Order: sequence, then C-alpha cells, then structure tokens
Amino acid sequence: AQSVTQPDIHITVSEGASLELRCNYSYGATPYLFWYVQSPGQGLQLLLKYFSGDTLVQGIKGFEAEFKRSQSSFNLRKPSVHWSDAAEYFCAVGVNAGGTSYGKLTFGQGTILTVHP
Amino acid sequence: NAGVTQTPKFRILKIGQSMTLQCTQDMNHNYMYWYRQDPGMGLKLIYYSVGAGITDKGEVPNGYNVSRSTTEDFPLRLELAAPSQTSVYFCASRGNGGNQPQHFGDGTRLSIL
Repeated sequence: AQSVTQPDIHITVSEGASLELRCNYSYGATPYLFWYVQSPGQGLQLLLKYFSGDTLVQGIKGFEAEFKRSQSSFNLRKPSVHWSDAAEYFCAVGVNAGGTSYGKLTFGQGTILTVHP
Repeated sequence: NAGVTQTPKFRILKIGQSMTLQCTQDMNHNYMYWYRQDPGMGLKLIYYSVGAGITDKGEVPNGYNVSRSTTEDFPLRLELAAPSQTSVYFCASRGNGGNQPQHFGDGTRLSIL
C-alpha cells in the first residue's frame, strides 16, 4: 500500500522569503501526486498535480513542485511567500485509477505554514 | 457553480444519537468519497462510491454507513454517535476520465458530547 510522509508539521517563514514544503511517498510504481491547500474552516483546494511527463509542474498561486523519482519526493516550492499563503498544505498520492484503486488518495499528515510580516 | 456541497456545516450531538451528513455534487461525477480529518492526522478515507448503487469501505469505516441512490448524493450516516467520532468530515468527488483530481466540499464540523 502507498504512504505519504510530510516531515515538517509546522513551518514559519517571513513574508517575501522562499518556501519549500517536503513530501516523500512510498509506492511501487509511478504514482499520481497532488498538493492541496486548506485555509482555516475551508475545504481542500487543489494546488497542482503530477501524472506523467515533465517532472516540474506549475500550479495556482505561484506554486510549483518537482517530482524526483530517485528520492521518492514531490516537494512544493514558492519563490516569494505572501501573507495569504498561511494555511495547511497536504500532499497526496494516488494510484492508477484504471485498476481497483478507484482514484483513492492517501494523504500526508499536513504541514501548517505560518507567515510572519 | 456549486461543486460539492455539504450540510450541515456544524453540529453537536449527544452520545448515542444518530445523524446523517449530507453531500451532493452537481458535476455528474461517478466517484465520491467521505473523509474524516483529525488534527495532525491528515485525511482518512471512511467510505467511497464508484457510482450509484456501489459503495465500499475505506480505511476507517467502523461506526459509519453510506448509501448512493443517485449520482449526485452520497450521505454519510452515524448510527450511534461516540466521542471518537468528533472530527471534521469532508466529502469529495472526482471526474470519470483519466486521472482527475478530487474536488472537496467545505466540510462538516461534528462534536459528540
């Protein structure tokens, strides 16, 4: 079975600083990878996704993520953080939906991002 | 453009009471999911459905039941509420083709006292 680890429970950065949130996955084949963001009291919003092809994917709100097969990682990055980026971020892994997985996702524990002015 | 709609947004139950969390989507998605979110634990899959009339257990199904009589609706039922079911519940749906992402509702915050 697949698993996802987000090693950092809480990260604090200053506004304007760069950001990298770590995500490591465990899965036997090429996974489908997602990053979601959750603002307080809200549902999860998709930031970006990786299925195949170019290993650097661009998402909404200026975020990007890089798939590194050799490191089993899918880290999320942003060059300059804004105060509105303060939220909780979840990495998720899915398997081939054509099989018996039915598009199910396994989520990491989440990383809470605090942004200082 | 409603997407995935969950009701109610908040609810307090007494131990042993029952209730149904409602979820409806207007995107004609076959796949629907129920998760619970507890602090520091991420999201855990309770039940999922691949179409009307077809449901299956996820990772943490005990104490819950679901039904899927229509494509749009996927209610989650708590029969005998227990304090361990205090959580935030999210419903999600997913498009039918390829590797579509899941779309989430805004959640139901449930407290069992």
